[in-house]
Amino acid sequence: NAGVTQTPKFRILKIGQSMTLQCTQDMNHNYMYWYRQDPGMGLKLIYYSVGAGITDKGEVPNGYNVSRSTTEDFPLRLELAAPSQTSVYFCASRGNGGNQPQHFGDGTRLSIL
Amino acid sequence: AQSVTQPDIHITVSEGASLELRCNYSYGATPYLFWYVQSPGQGLQLLLKYFSGDTLVQGIKGFEAEFKRSQSSFNLRKPSVHWSDAAEYFCAVGVNAGGTSYGKLTFGQGTILTVHP
Repeated sequence: NAGVTQTPKFRILKIGQSMTLQCTQDMNHNYMYWYRQDPGMGLKLIYYSVGAGITDKGEVPNGYNVSRSTTEDFPLRLELAAPSQTSVYFCASRGNGGNQPQHFGDGTRLSIL
Repeated sequence: AQSVTQPDIHITVSEGASLELRCNYSYGATPYLFWYVQSPGQGLQLLLKYFSGDTLVQGIKGFEAEFKRSQSSFNLRKPSVHWSDAAEYFCAVGVNAGGTSYGKLTFGQGTILTVHP
């Protein structure tokens, strides 16, 4: 029972490099979310998706892009990595009916040097 | 827009002592409220949730929380803390997912719990 799977778990990037953080879920959830977590700041929503082909900005979208070509996958793209993007990134998904809670992956710890 | 405040950044308790973690929210209507726990290096695990009905909700690992509308609070409690409860705890508020919120959550800053033996 995999749930929400994020890869990689750790990554170090140089300033200006690009990378994609992968997120996949096997629960057939329409709703998916990307957060970043910084110490003492809680989780901030970067982007979210309500279904394949539909995405929208969250609270802190600058410097990131997303796509949602399938129900299962919701990758997060950093085009020009900056030190301010050093953070822990969490992907989450949520069931379709009623007021379902979000289910989280284990996170990707990203350092930009 | 909704907001969540967890007034205590860090709490230390002795093993076996009782615990209460505070959470205050700001939202114009009845919110949907959640408590999540995060162990070091892990993702967030749902402890409990409140949507409607009984204002005292039971969760996993012996935790409970009480929704108090008059105080805009949703405090988390446990009668006897175990060393394995040491973690960071997040309160979150959601709005009616049937509207345009799409189930988005707003999180508090988190409370780090340390348990002394």
